[in-house]
Amino acid sequence: GAGVSQSPRYKVAKRGQDVALRCDPISGHVSLFWYQQALGQGPEFLTYFQNEAQLDKSGLPSDRFFAERPEGSVSTLKIQRTQQEDSAVYLCASSLRLAGGDEQFFGPGTRLTVL
Amino acid sequence: AQSVTQLDSQVPVFEEAPVELRCNYSSSVSVYLFWYVQYPNQGLQLLLKYLSGSTLVKGINGFEAEFNKSQTSFHLRKPSVHISDTAEYFCAVNGYNTDKLIFGTGTRLQVFP
Repeated sequence: GAGVSQSPRYKVAKRGQDVALRCDPISGHVSLFWYQQALGQGPEFLTYFQNEAQLDKSGLPSDRFFAERPEGSVSTLKIQRTQQEDSAVYLCASSLRLAGGDEQFFGPGTRLTVL
Repeated sequence: AQSVTQLDSQVPVFEEAPVELRCNYSSSVSVYLFWYVQYPNQGLQLLLKYLSGSTLVKGINGFEAEFNKSQTSFHLRKPSVHISDTAEYFCAVNGYNTDKLIFGTGTRLQVFP
């Protein structure tokens, strides 16, 4: 079966440009997460959806970051006026959320490079 | 709040030798514990998880981990590693009251022939 997919896999942006990163979760998964992974670091939580509701956005680093999941399936992470410090791999994960401690299934990530 | 410490950034080991990757966590609430593996240019894959019950957890690819509440540790072990185990390994926690994962900084396991 299909796993979590993300597009594009690689994105190069000039500083100041807006970017949009897409995540297609596993069909039927209720929860969707975004993480940011800087070079040589572990993933850091950005935001979390349960269906279309954004329940936690405490990890978004600034108001330039915005995420949505309007129909409770596909999600888009948008970064406005990109800065060099936004360069990282952005990981999307989804889970069934049947109970606590559910496995999160990760996509391959989008590598964003801001010049 | 929770936090995770992986003290070893790199662990070199020869093929067929045993290996232990260390993970310590800090939390004021009960937690679930996870180990994920990340191969180059791939997403993270779950190796194993501890939710409750037996403190020794067995996962995929011959890995196991032991939960030690008194030492707040969840070390990952494999009795005999293979070249294909070369990858980045991440320990992670989430509290009972949250779904988000808190990751350590990772340990790069390098297996040499």
